[in-house]
Amino acid sequence: AQSVAQPEDQVNVAEGNPLTVKCTYSVSGNPYLFWYVQYPNRGLQFLLKYITGDNLVKGSYGFEAEFNKSQTSFHLKKPSALVSDSALYFCAVRDIPLSGGYNKLIFGAGTRLAVHP
Amino acid sequence: SQTIHQWPATLVQPVGSPLSLECTVEGTSNPNLYWYRQAAGRGLQLLFYSVGIGQISSEVPQNLSASRPQDRQFILSSKKLLLSDSGFYLCAWSASMRGEKETQYFGPGTRLLVL
Repeated sequence: AQSVAQPEDQVNVAEGNPLTVKCTYSVSGNPYLFWYVQYPNRGLQFLLKYITGDNLVKGSYGFEAEFNKSQTSFHLKKPSALVSDSALYFCAVRDIPLSGGYNKLIFGAGTRLAVHP
Repeated sequence: SQTIHQWPATLVQPVGSPLSLECTVEGTSNPNLYWYRQAAGRGLQLLFYSVGIGQISSEVPQNLSASRPQDRQFILSSKKLLLSDSGFYLCAWSASMRGEKETQYFGPGTRLLVL
């Protein structure tokens, strides 16, 4: 079965430092991987996705993620963190697609990112 | 561009009362639609999904139900709320066209508190 894991409950980073939020996955076949961000009392916002192609995927707000097939990882990164990046981050993997066009995502438990001034 | 709306934004309901949450999508046709529940500000649980009008699939058996009376409208309902129904309810949509249907886009959510 498809699964995704976010091993860190919380990540603390000083403003201006690089940040990494970790995600590992387990899939049958080629993985479709996603990152979302959620600010307090808000819905999830799509950041970026990996479907195929370059292993380094660039997304919104200066975020990028590196797909590593050998390590089955899809870590989210940003070269210089901002206080406004503080939020809850979710990694997700597409489940094995069913016929009829339905597309189910399996989400990790989330990682809370705290960027300190 | 596409937008997704949910209302109400917050709701406080007594145990045993009915529920109706609404989600609408603008700027796209024949979207796939999804209802999620998020408990305690963390993991998301898929409740229902729909690939077309009147076509609803349930992921988790419970006292909630969903309906899709129009192409871009998705409703989450309950006849009698339980305390355990409290949570943050998120609606999402994805395109139904091949090559575009992988990404789900979420609405702002409805916070439900059952007392």
